[in-house]
Amino acid sequence: DAKTTQPPSMDCAEGRAANLPCNHSTISGNEYVYWYRQIHSQGPQYIIHGLKNNETNEMASLIITEDRKSSTLILPHATLRDTAVYYCIVRLNDYKLSFGAGTTVTVRA
Amino acid sequence: DTEVTQTPKHLVMGMTNKKSLKCEQHMGHRAMYWYKQKAKKPPELMFVYSYEKLSINESVPSRFSPECPNSSLLNLHLHALQPEDSALYLCASSRGQGAGETQYFGPGTRLLVL
Repeated sequence: DAKTTQPPSMDCAEGRAANLPCNHSTISGNEYVYWYRQIHSQGPQYIIHGLKNNETNEMASLIITEDRKSSTLILPHATLRDTAVYYCIVRLNDYKLSFGAGTTVTVRA
Repeated sequence: DTEVTQTPKHLVMGMTNKKSLKCEQHMGHRAMYWYKQKAKKPPELMFVYSYEKLSINESVPSRFSPECPNSSLLNLHLHALQPEDSALYLCASSRGQGAGETQYFGPGTRLLVL
């Protein structure tokens, strides 16, 4: 699976949009981009995934660049409960989610 | 509903004990997974079951023994563990094993080996 690069940490203000970047410059055409988050001591929570097109669901939006070498997860209105570690995962393998170090996001009041 | 349940939430065991972790899902998913997460590290895959058969073992020591009695239930039997096996054990399930199939995780069992 392709490697991903995420900033180790970021802060955002409550009520504002949080934009989380992820670089995956070695991604291949069949690899999906997945985002999960993990709130302290809980299991990872699925957020969203995409292959080529931008995606939106009730939690977030995923913007994938045209060359697919990077993506951005957007939390439209961050709340204190969005404080978590966010993992960007590029997945080709049919069984494994290979988690990296992720981005620790702290939402501040 | 995307719920995966795990019991117990917490477990303390000695190195000579035998214990089991249980995972359950009622979403009709046919793939189930065990991951292990050490403190301040990301989760790592241990085992994959597909249609109730073990399909992947990521070179896990034999003191961890998985079992899938039916399509809804996944167990992890523990025997003669070491203190370094203390971790959060996560179960996940997905409809199938394809890369486009989302894995949904349970809350985990936090294990402490004394």
